[in-house]
Amino acid sequence: DGGITQSPKYLFRKEGQNVTLSCEQNLNHDAMYWYRQDPGQGLRLIYYSQIVNDFQKGDIAEGYSVSREKKESFPLTVTSAQKNPTAFYLCASKEASGSAEQYFGPGTRLTVT
Amino acid sequence: GEDVEQSLFLSVREGDSSVINCTYTDSSSTYLYWYKQEPGAGLQLLTYIFSNMDMKQDQRLTVLLNKKDKHLSLRIADTQTGDSAIYFCAESIWENNNDMRFGAGTRLTVKP
Repeated sequence: DGGITQSPKYLFRKEGQNVTLSCEQNLNHDAMYWYRQDPGQGLRLIYYSQIVNDFQKGDIAEGYSVSREKKESFPLTVTSAQKNPTAFYLCASKEASGSAEQYFGPGTRLTVT
Repeated sequence: GEDVEQSLFLSVREGDSSVINCTYTDSSSTYLYWYKQEPGAGLQLLTYIFSNMDMKQDQRLTVLLNKKDKHLSLRIADTQTGDSAIYFCAESIWENNNDMRFGAGTRLTVKP
């Protein structure tokens, strides 16, 4: 059963704590992406990775960090420096960065109080 | 403001056709997409069109692209209650195909 998994579905943290969101794919895709979704808005790109051991900042990278040590995994850390971390976070992947079809995981809703 | 614009709400009766509209600003857009999002879920890729096409049909879905006006539409024939969701229009640009721009989404409500 191929796809993109994100865990957990809901995550709660206290302000000032770092938190890591998981994203795994078994589609053998090279490119992976992290987006943030806020109510009534479109998705905004946080970070992306075109290949293992490489990643690039998106439009709103401040306060976030990523790693890409394995092809199938692209975890996102929301640090205490992120001013408004409460949001719905979506991971996506494509076969290669030049591919047309981008697929999304089910998302993680992070609430920071 | 958004590079990709959509109206926020659309309400139709079950069995009618739905037309969701989108305008984009980048004339170098390569692919234009329609995604569906159900409550609390990720985005599901419905269909996409290459910018040198003007129409694509896939079962109940018809995509029309007017490149001159930078206008994209999604028509859903015989709309069902299960089609109720938020529909996102998105564009990507060949030079930086990692840069995908999304509209704010259109919430489609289908009334029985």
